Amino acid sequence: QVQLQESGPGLLKPSQTLSLTCTVSGDSMNSGDYYWNWIRQSPGKGLEWIGYKYNSGGTLYNPSLNSRVTISVDTSKNQFSLRLTSVTAADTAVYFCARGETYTGYYLFDYWGLGTLVTVSS
Amino acid sequence: SSELTQDPAVSVALGQSVSITCQGDSLRTYFASWYQQKPRQAPVLVLYGKNNRPSGIGDRFSGSSSGNTASLTITGAQAEDEADYYCNCRDSNGNHLLFGGGTKLTVL
Repeated sequence: QVQLQESGPGLLKPSQTLSLTCTVSGDSMNSGDYYWNWIRQSPGKGLEWIGYKYNSGGTLYNPSLNSRVTISVDTSKNQFSLRLTSVTAADTAVYFCARGETYTGYYLFDYWGLGTLVTVSS
Repeated sequence: SSELTQDPAVSVALGQSVSITCQGDSLRTYFASWYQQKPRQAPVLVLYGKNNRPSGIGDRFSGSSSGNTASLTITGAQAEDEADYYCNCRDSNGNHLLFGGGTKLTVL
């Protein structure tokens, strides 16, 4: 059974950089044509896709966050990471990591982490 | 288009059927995937593609699509189906990923 687990600081000050890591267990990140995603959910709000990095090497980010986001993968540790610069209170959210797969005509997120709350406050 | 639109809230009587819809231009090209999220939990995939359920998801969940609208139907809603439901697919250009705003399902 594939499991994902987020880790990282839960409290940041405005202008700092958010750094989170997702550890994948139960399967090698290289075992298939997977996409490694970050998704967030502000308190009481809906899901917002942040971006992904896929096994062939490419990355794609939500245009609204593109200038501040970097997603990287370390297959030797079976981990992937999120870096979001210059955070503000609007970046306060539960951050989820998720594995994605794409097929002709659709995309899906089949495994999710439990999520980690990141609060931005002075 | 870069939006998927869902009704904010829907209710259904226990044992009855309900459909949750998702509208957007990209649904003319791509099928939606659907996720169930219960309070303080991670989303769970319940439906994907034309009408496919992951292992462990009950057959009371089904999907359909017509034009720019995708639908998730629960036939014989149970108390444990009360949750938020989100649709997801790629944007019209086939690149970025979109989520609908979510529908809160209440089972009466």
